Amino acid sequence: GAVVSQHPSRVICKSGTSVKIECRSLDFQATTMFWYRQFPKQSLMLMATSNEGSKATYEQGVEKDKFLINHASLTLSTLTVTSAHPEDSSFYICSARRTSGTGETQYFGPGTRLLVL
Amino acid sequence: QKEVEQNSGPLSVPEGAIASLNCTYSDRGSQSFFWYRQYSGKSPELIMSIYSNGDKEDGRFTAQLNKASQYVSLLIRDSQPSDSATYLCATRGGSNYKLTFGKGTLLTVNP
Repeated sequence: GAVVSQHPSRVICKSGTSVKIECRSLDFQATTMFWYRQFPKQSLMLMATSNEGSKATYEQGVEKDKFLINHASLTLSTLTVTSAHPEDSSFYICSARRTSGTGETQYFGPGTRLLVL
Repeated sequence: QKEVEQNSGPLSVPEGAIASLNCTYSDRGSQSFFWYRQYSGKSPELIMSIYSNGDKEDGRFTAQLNKASQYVSLLIRDSQPSDSATYLCATRGGSNYKLTFGKGTLLTVNP
């Protein structure tokens, strides 16, 4: 399957600081990437759709000024959690959309575990 | 509102048995269907995708789709302890790229 990487895999930060998470598609180009958040024992919740070269589309209830998304190239999208607070502690997972002759599929990165103290 | 429903489980089967995971969806416009496996503390991994009615087999996994009944299932033959994980069902409509996920079914395969 396709390979998607995320960096960092784990981050601990102080309340009020900003954290940047990178998502890269390593062996294919992705015009569309997605950012999800998952709290313990809960399902994936889509936060936003990241589109290469244009503004991200945020899901209802997700603050676009708090979760900044940049998709500057066909293989890289970044999510910056600004002024992080303890309630932002979660597992952040990106996925990249890959299209082929048989259809399209989302491949997930390994996730970034964020802990805000 | 688009919904994907799964039995949360846990579903417990003995090693070597067939595990059957079920999923129903509300959006009749859904065109693509996916099963992801998620180990505890890890991100989801794609297991199967299915787009047309009927069965699709890949190794020990078989996905079954019935659009008329809005039902998709995953069968795991010869279940192994390493199959123990949460299985997420996801659907995608034709007009956008977003996936709608179920809450997942926790499968435990007992040695």
